Amino acid sequence: TQLLEQSPQFLSIQEGENLTVYCNSSSVFSSLQWYRQEPGEGPVLLVTVVTGGEVKKLKRLTFQFGDARKDSSLHITAAQPGDTGLYLCAGDNAGNNRKLIWGLGTSLAVNP
Amino acid sequence: EAGVAQSPRYKIIEKRQSVAFWCNPISGHATLYWYQQILGQGPKLLIQFQNNGVVDDSQLPKDRFSAERLKGVDSTLKIQPAKLEDSAVYLCASSLGGWGGVETQYFGPGTRLLVL
Repeated sequence: TQLLEQSPQFLSIQEGENLTVYCNSSSVFSSLQWYRQEPGEGPVLLVTVVTGGEVKKLKRLTFQFGDARKDSSLHITAAQPGDTGLYLCAGDNAGNNRKLIWGLGTSLAVNP
Repeated sequence: EAGVAQSPRYKIIEKRQSVAFWCNPISGHATLYWYQQILGQGPKLLIQFQNNGVVDDSQLPKDRFSAERLKGVDSTLKIQPAKLEDSAVYLCASSLGGWGGVETQYFGPGTRLLVL
């Protein structure tokens, strides 16, 4: 069974701090997506990483796909209260029964 | 472009009652997904449709859950009878439905179900 483990599960920080969220698996994924879900809403796609070692930046957010395509990280610089939400990673298994494998999420609270 | 629509937004029922949720995907999206999300956790795929055919329903509790997408557009998810552990957010998502490459799933706001 393919699993995606996210850490930490919960994170509460002050505005202006930096943080990193991790998404790890023992399985290889053809690509990996990061979503953010705000309270009362559905998840919204932030980025898709496809190539091993790939780094993508979205303003203050930096996403990296591991060289072996088994893990990924999300780094937020100078966090703001608007970054508060549930961050979810989802891996494309690209197998015969192709599906997105979802992590359990990291719940981030950025306090003003 | 209109997003994924879901209704109702909230529902409170007693255990053993029945409930139905409705989803209208983004126009032109062939693939439709229903997810169950327990508070603070990631989504769990219940069923995936490609047009009006079922692609994956391996995690759907078929003794009480059913879903249909008769005309390949909107979809209904039903729970009968509901149990306390069914309390969750039910998310509907849609994607273009291409067979190659990585797809973006677009989610609706979800229906929050509370079973008492």
